[in-house]
Amino acid sequence: EVQLVESGGGLVQPGGSLRLSCTASGFTFGIYAMSWVRQAPGKGLEWVSTITNSGGSTYYADSLKGRFTISRDTSKNTVYLQLNSLRAEDAALYYCARELSALGCLDPWGQGTLVTVSS
Amino acid sequence: DIQMTQSPSSLSASVGDRVTITCRASQGISNYLAWYQQKPGKVPKLLISAASTLQSGVPSRFSGSGSGTDFTLTISSLQPEDVATYYCQKYNSAPFTFGPGTKVDIK
Repeated sequence: EVQLVESGGGLVQPGGSLRLSCTASGFTFGIYAMSWVRQAPGKGLEWVSTITNSGGSTYYADSLKGRFTISRDTSKNTVYLQLNSLRAEDAALYYCARELSALGCLDPWGQGTLVTVSS
Repeated sequence: DIQMTQSPSSLSASVGDRVTITCRASQGISNYLAWYQQKPGKVPKLLISAASTLQSGVPSRFSGSGSGTDFTLTISSLQPEDVATYYCQKYNSAPFTFGPGTKVDIK
């Protein structure tokens, strides 16, 4: 069974940093691109970032303005999202998702990890 | 960047009704369009990829159509378990933008 388990969320002050992790199981991690999608409370889905299967290419939402970095460690079956210079508007449930058959088309999704930004 | 819009933003229909949701891209995206269903408090689930390819296990009352800039998701006979918010997403190239969502309720 394919499983994606996110971790690393929590409460952080404005301007702070967090590193989110997503550990995969049940499939050959190294052949799939992976993405992060976030959802602020009561709001819609917002694509955040994607990394190709090799890690050679990464893509980001323009709104992030260089504050987030996606990476992956195939030896650990894990994809990461480094969040820096956090703002109140970054508070959201952050989902990890696997590519289906084309870059950006996502299935399945993890349960998400919650990031709260507050002083 | 290509913008995605959906209409309506919400709808209320009776059990058994035919429901249609529209998604529009500001530029052509061929058939690189996915539809997701998110039930209240749950994780999003992929329903349809490539504009019209139903994912395994998704009931056949769901269907998708369209190409280029205009797409539709149709529920042929609305069921109580279909109460959810539905999102379209473009994936022809990054950014892989989602539409704002359409909330579907039972009347």
